[in-house]
Amino acid sequence: QKEVEQNSGPLSVPEGAIASLNCTYSDRGSQSFFWYRQYSGKSPELIMSIYSNGDKEDGRFTAQLNKASQYVSLLIRDSQPSDSATYLCAVNPPSNTGKLIFGQGTTLQVKP
Amino acid sequence: DAGITQSPRHKVTETGTPVTLRCHQTENHRYMYWYRQDPGHGLRLIHYSYGVKDTDKGEVSDGYSVSRSKTEDFLLTLESATSSQTSVYFCAISQDTEAFFGQGTRLTVV
Repeated sequence: QKEVEQNSGPLSVPEGAIASLNCTYSDRGSQSFFWYRQYSGKSPELIMSIYSNGDKEDGRFTAQLNKASQYVSLLIRDSQPSDSATYLCAVNPPSNTGKLIFGQGTTLQVKP
Repeated sequence: DAGITQSPRHKVTETGTPVTLRCHQTENHRYMYWYRQDPGHGLRLIHYSYGVKDTDKGEVSDGYSVSRSKTEDFLLTLESATSSQTSVYFCAISQDTEAFFGQGTRLTVV
C-alpha cells in the first residue's frame, strides 16, 4: 500500500463547477497535510495546508481533513480554466525528521 | 521562489558516469529534500536531510547518495548514472512543515 494515494484522473469539470480532489494516507499518526498545484513544466507550489480535522477555506479553495478515515480532500469552487493543473497531496508521516511524502497527483481539466 | 537554486537546470550525461546535482538555499531552513518526478509517479522522495550531516533515505534511494556539509547546500549524487535515472529532479526546503520547491533539474542519461 502506498503511503499517500490519489486518483490520477484526469478529472474533467466544466467552468464554474466545483472540483473535488481526494487523497488517502496510510499512516494514522500523520499530522500535517498539504495540497500543491503543479502546472505543466513548472515546480509544485503550495496552495493549502491543514493540520486539524474539519474544513479550512482560502478563497475558492477548501481543504477538508478527516483523520479517523485517513482522508484529505481539496474542493475548488467556481473552477476556472486556469485551475487546470496537476494537484499533489503531501503528508508528513509521524517522525522527528520532517519526512514529506507525495501522492502521484490528480490531473484536473476545467473546460470552458 | 523561496531562495532555492538548483544547478544545473539541464544536463545530459552518459551511462556509467557520476553526476552531482546541487541545491542551494538562502532561507536557513532546517529540512531539505530531493525528489524525482516521472510521468504517472508524482513526486518520489529520494533522500532528505533534517540537519547538517543528518540525512535519511526515501522511497527510491537506490543508486543515489547525498551530502549536506552546511545548512545551505544539499548535494545529490548519482554514483553511476543509468537510463532509468532520466527524470526531473526537484529540491525542496522546509523550516517546519510547509515545503517550497526549486525550479527543477532535467537530467537525461544516454
